[in-house]
Amino acid sequence: KAGVTQTPRYLIKTRGQQVTLSCSPISGHRSVSWYQQTPGQGLQFLFEYFSETQRNKGNFPGRFSGRQFSNSRSEMNVSTLELGDSALYLCASSLGGIPYEQYFGPGTRLTVT
Amino acid sequence: KQEVTQIPAALSVPEGENLVLNCSFTDSAIYNLQWFRQDPGKGLTSLLLIQSSQREQTSGRLNASLDKSSGRSTLYIAASQPGDSATYLCAVARSGGGADGLTFGKGTHLIIQP
Repeated sequence: KAGVTQTPRYLIKTRGQQVTLSCSPISGHRSVSWYQQTPGQGLQFLFEYFSETQRNKGNFPGRFSGRQFSNSRSEMNVSTLELGDSALYLCASSLGGIPYEQYFGPGTRLTVT
Repeated sequence: KQEVTQIPAALSVPEGENLVLNCSFTDSAIYNLQWFRQDPGKGLTSLLLIQSSQREQTSGRLNASLDKSSGRSTLYIAASQPGDSATYLCAVARSGGGADGLTFGKGTHLIIQP
């Protein structure tokens, strides 16, 4: 079975721009969660989607949004990028959502200049 | 608010040694605890998941224990190898749903010297 895939793997953007990241879960998994990883804050939960509905949301500003499609693929969007948004963005998929076992993708490294 | 702490933050040991990584959490109302490894610049690989009703789980040279009442978990690595070098993260899921997602510790950066 193919694992979780994320595209693109690397991105460089300028402050004020917006960006869209994509995540394809393991086949059959209906839940996709997103996390931001930075050296200072570690891994922080952004949100979770299950069957196209946002089920849980972390403590991030409204500039961070997401959606999930009928095939369970998910996208995350960050608008009006700030330097502090530079991070590794990881998505995880699971059969039943949190707290079931999570399988992570390789991440998208976003650099904001 | 759940907080997860991992000690030590970094560890360097010679190949062949047995070692223990520690994870503590402040709120014992957890559904399960999961251990991951992360290689530099990569995603997370799930190692072991322990349900709150379990005391331990084993996979090969890895053994994870859970003491929910004291808010502690340990990851035991037997006969360490250079390929075990990575950052090890523990994460807890709260009981009653996933409103907070997984709460992660900052990790233990492990180096196994050949």
